[in-house]
Amino acid sequence: SYELTQSPSVSVSPGQTATITCSGDALPHQYVYWYRQKPGQAPVMVIYKDNERPSGIPERFSGSSSGTKVTLTISGVQAEDEADYYCQSTDSSGTYVFGSGTKVTVL
Amino acid sequence: QVQLVQSGAEVKKPGSSVKVSCKASGGTFSRYDITWVRQAPGQGLEWMGGILPVFGTADYAQKFQGRVTITTDESTNTAYMELSSLKSEDTAVYYCARDLTTTIGGFDPWGQGTLVTVSS
Repeated sequence: SYELTQSPSVSVSPGQTATITCSGDALPHQYVYWYRQKPGQAPVMVIYKDNERPSGIPERFSGSSSGTKVTLTISGVQAEDEADYYCQSTDSSGTYVFGSGTKVTVL
Repeated sequence: QVQLVQSGAEVKKPGSSVKVSCKASGGTFSRYDITWVRQAPGQGLEWMGGILPVFGTADYAQKFQGRVTITTDESTNTAYMELSSLKSEDTAVYYCARDLTTTIGGFDPWGQGTLVTVSS
């Protein structure tokens, strides 16, 4: 079955930049969506269609794509950004798939 | 503003079934595509299936085919996810979310989640 690969964890100091990657063979042909999930809460979409921000999401969140890899960048990380982040896309048959998640720790 | 409110926590015996509801407010429910995602304790997100109310058709992840049924009741703006033949591995938080496939894509907003515990 199709998989999206994320690094398990990222640690970053406040004010620095956090970079979270998601890899998958179908990513050159499918959009990626990113979600932030804080402990005990439901996920919230922070990026859609690789690099677009929903209304209400801070400008420090940005997305980019290159080939089979997409990246979520959090610039000027704040303590409130500590959370799990998941990428999501679709496989060749249209089935939705999530990445395994990346835990962002703010030091 | 669309809001999804789910039913409360459930405790079920192995082999039984559970039916979780997801009530929508705001917008036109018949235009919502609703998807269901679950998250086992300490684990990641797993897509289960979704439904297109305007067509009344549901689509399921292969892993759950034959065990999950997703339906909607437009008269009450409510979607349902029923999972049968429960096993301990089905213990998880179950989320509904609006599937924005026909617009920007992705899932937003999400319900608050429903914890289903399967235990003898």
